[in-house]
Amino acid sequence: EVQLVESGGGLVQPGGSLRLSCAASGFTFSSYWMSWVRQAPGKGLEWVANIKQDGSEKYYVDSVKGRFTISRDNAKNSLYLQMNSLRAEDTAVYYCARVFWGTFDYWGQGTLVTVSS
Amino acid sequence: QSALTQPASVSGSPGQSITISCTGTSSDVGSYNLVSWYQQHPGKAPKLMIYEGSKRPSGVSNRFSGSKSGNTASLTISGLQAEDEADYYCCSYAGSSTYVVFGGGTKLTVL
Repeated sequence: EVQLVESGGGLVQPGGSLRLSCAASGFTFSSYWMSWVRQAPGKGLEWVANIKQDGSEKYYVDSVKGRFTISRDNAKNSLYLQMNSLRAEDTAVYYCARVFWGTFDYWGQGTLVTVSS
Repeated sequence: QSALTQPASVSGSPGQSITISCTGTSSDVGSYNLVSWYQQHPGKAPKLMIYEGSKRPSGVSNRFSGSKSGNTASLTISGLQAEDEADYYCCSYAGSSTYVVFGGGTKLTVL
C-alpha cells in the first residue's frame, strides 16, 4: 500500500524558515517524480514544486522560486521542502504527492504551515 | 483567479447524474490529453478520480467518468450517492514551465 506521511509543519514568523519532510513507503520511491502541492485555508489547490527521480531536475511555481528548495533522499525514501523567507501568503496545508505527467496519483495527509507574527 | 474555470457549486438528488465542467485554454486543456480530477472531502487529502481525461484508477467507481471537448473537460457522476458530496478539482498539464494548472474547485451537494 502506497503511503506518504508529511511532517515538519507549524507556526513560523514572517521571514522565517521551515523544512517539511515526506516519508514514502509501499512503492519504489526512486522510480517516481515527486511533488509538493499546497492548499491555503478555504482555497483551492496549487502545485508548488517537482523533483525528478534522481533529483537532477527541479521545477517551481513562480511565487516560491528563490525561496523554496525541493530535494529528496532515495536511500531514505524521503522528500523534503526547505522553505525560507516565508510570507503570510505561504500559509497552507502542504501535501506531498507522487506524480506522473501532471497527474498526482497518491497524496499524503498534509501538514499545516502557518506564517504569522 | 484560478487558471481553469469550474462552477463554484453543483447539486443533485440521490440517483441522478451531474456534470462538472472545467474550461481552460489551448495552452493547457486543449493541448494535452492530461486532465485529471480530484475528490476532496472536508479535512481530507485529495483523491485521484480520473486521469488522462477519461481513465479511472483502480478502485474508483465506474459511476465517475471524464471527457473532453476542445478546451473544456468534464466530470460526470452518475447514480449520485450521499458519499459523493465533496469538493472536486480539475487539473491539466500545461507544459514544462507552468507544469500544471488547477481549477478553483466545485462543491457538490447531494440533496
